[in-house]
Formats: sequence, C-alpha cells, structure tokens
Amino acid sequence: DGGITQSPKYLFRKEGQNVTLSCEQNLNHDAMYWYRQDPGQGLRLIYYSQIVNDFQKGDIAEGYSVSREKKESFPLTVTSAQKNPTAFYLCASSTVGGGETQYFGPGTRLLVL
Amino acid sequence: KQEVTQIPAALSVPEGENLVLNCSFTDSAIYNLQWFRQDPGKGLTSLLLIQSSQREQTSGRLNASLDKSSGRSTLYIAASQPGDSATYLCALNNNDMRFGAGTRLTVKP
Repeated sequence: DGGITQSPKYLFRKEGQNVTLSCEQNLNHDAMYWYRQDPGQGLRLIYYSQIVNDFQKGDIAEGYSVSREKKESFPLTVTSAQKNPTAFYLCASSTVGGGETQYFGPGTRLLVL
Repeated sequence: KQEVTQIPAALSVPEGENLVLNCSFTDSAIYNLQWFRQDPGKGLTSLLLIQSSQREQTSGRLNASLDKSSGRSTLYIAASQPGDSATYLCALNNNDMRFGAGTRLTVKP
C-alpha cells in the first residue's frame, strides 16, 4: 500500500528530554512537511523539505530540528528548547511544483510527563 | 500573510439536513483551495480540491465552491449522515498551505 506512516501514535516526553517523531512515505514524493496542530487552531508549518539533504524553516521552527538523509524519511526532533511541545504532529508529502496537493499521515500525539 | 477563517467553529444538525460550511481568506493569489476531513485523533483526508481557475468541484454528496473575488469558499453537504461527523478544514495553497481552524460537525441520528 502506498502512503505515509508516522510513529509512534503516542509519545511521552519528560522535561529536558529530546524526542524524535518518525515519518516515512513510499509515494516517491520529493517534498515532505511537518505541521503542529493545537486544539481549536489550524495546522502550523514547522519545517519542510523539497529535496534530500535540504530543508527550510516554517512558521514555528524554534525548538524543533529535522533531517532529510533519505527521500522516504523526514524525522522531526522536539528538543528541550521547545517549552510547550504538547500537540498533535502531522507529517505530509507532495510532489514539487506549483500548488501540489499534500497527503497526510495519521499523526503523532506528543504529551509531556 | 494569508489569513484563513472558518465559520462556524462547531455545528450540530439532525440527520438528513443539507448544510453549508464556510471558509474565508484574505489573499486571492492562490494555486488552489482544498477541503479536508479530519476524524478525532487522525490525519487529514482530502475531500475536494478546486484549482484557482475553477468555480466548483463535486464529489458525491459534497460540493465545494470558490469565489476568489470575495475571498470565500463553501462546502455544501447534502443529506447529511452521522458518518459525516468530523472536523472539516479548508486550506489555501500558494506555494505553502494555510489552514483554517476547522468546523467541527456533528450529525445526530
């Protein structure tokens, strides 16, 4: 089956700890994205990547880091510098061009202990 | 910066009703507008995509319209069913996607 997978479904973070959220796609998409969703708010872009070994900050990149070593994978690390990490995190992918539709994974809910 | 607003934030209707969800935006220079469905704790599922040059798109009981001159889009759901209960988000695409906060729809049996 083609699609986007995210793991884990739930993740717990202790104060001062870095945690990494996984996102994998087998759609052969060049572009991948990370969004954060808070209750009652729209999705906000954290980071995006349009090609391997390159990525750009979105609107709320502070406290987060990413890597894009493989086309299929775009992991997101929530660092200890992110003081309010509790949220629902969504990964998406698309082809590159003008206005290409994005396909979303099932999401990871991050909770702070 | 594109601002996207969805009204109402929540809507509850009895089964069988026709309903309209609204989306307004501030920048009409877009590639396309997309409506998504999100079930609780799940990812987004694309429902309809309207290209900038189009006025509407239809899929089954769903019809989405786009009026760039007024900065508005509507999602019309005909003969609503309990299975339509979900949050509906609109997103404007102009190289990056801007999302509204969504309308949480509840269809009561």
